[in-house]
Amino acid sequence: EAEVAQSPRYKITEKSQAVAFWCDPISGHATLYWYRQILGQGPELLVQFQDESVVDDSQLPKDRFSAERLKGVDSTLKIQPAELGDSAMYLCASSLGDRGPYEQYFGPGTRLTVT
Amino acid sequence: GESVGLHLPTLSVQEGDNSIINCAYSNSASDYFIWYKQESGKGPQFIIDIRSNMDKRQGQRVTVLLNKTVKHLSLQIAATQPGDSAVYFCAENEAGGFKTIFGAGTRLFVKA
Repeated sequence: EAEVAQSPRYKITEKSQAVAFWCDPISGHATLYWYRQILGQGPELLVQFQDESVVDDSQLPKDRFSAERLKGVDSTLKIQPAELGDSAMYLCASSLGDRGPYEQYFGPGTRLTVT
Repeated sequence: GESVGLHLPTLSVQEGDNSIINCAYSNSASDYFIWYKQESGKGPQFIIDIRSNMDKRQGQRVTVLLNKTVKHLSLQIAATQPGDSAVYFCAENEAGGFKTIFGAGTRLFVKA
């Protein structure tokens, strides 16, 4: 069964450092999502791509976060500089398309700890 | 602002019993609802969905009920098994929108 791949699974970094996460969606899925999940809470959408275009980044802290999906396939989420409050699980998900809501398939996530 | 929330943060049930997990939503414009299951260390996994033109939908051992009058969603799990232990999230999509908003989650404990 096809899965969403994410790496690394765990990342520990010091505050003010840069960190990057990678996601490879299920083949053929046009829509890719990055979520942040704080322990005990539901995922919060950071950015949504349709192919290589951003369709929603209203909750992305753009002063320190950036995301790209240059060829419309895999994607990278970057934080620079990292802050203590960025410690969370970062989840990537993909779905067939954005023409109406579709089931989202989630990767295993990257757990970030900022010290 | 609009939000999706859950009544109970934890639920403990005996193995073999039925489980009911509740969710309240406040956005009357939402027309698509989803339940996800998240096991420890994993990403959320789709369980079942329902559109606002329905009030009940059944899957394998799971049933979702939607009451639009009181903006309430529930997930029923029949014959709960230890493997059902997880955090369950309800989520909603607004009509014509593609952004999914998740609630805070309910942790289900299944006692053997």
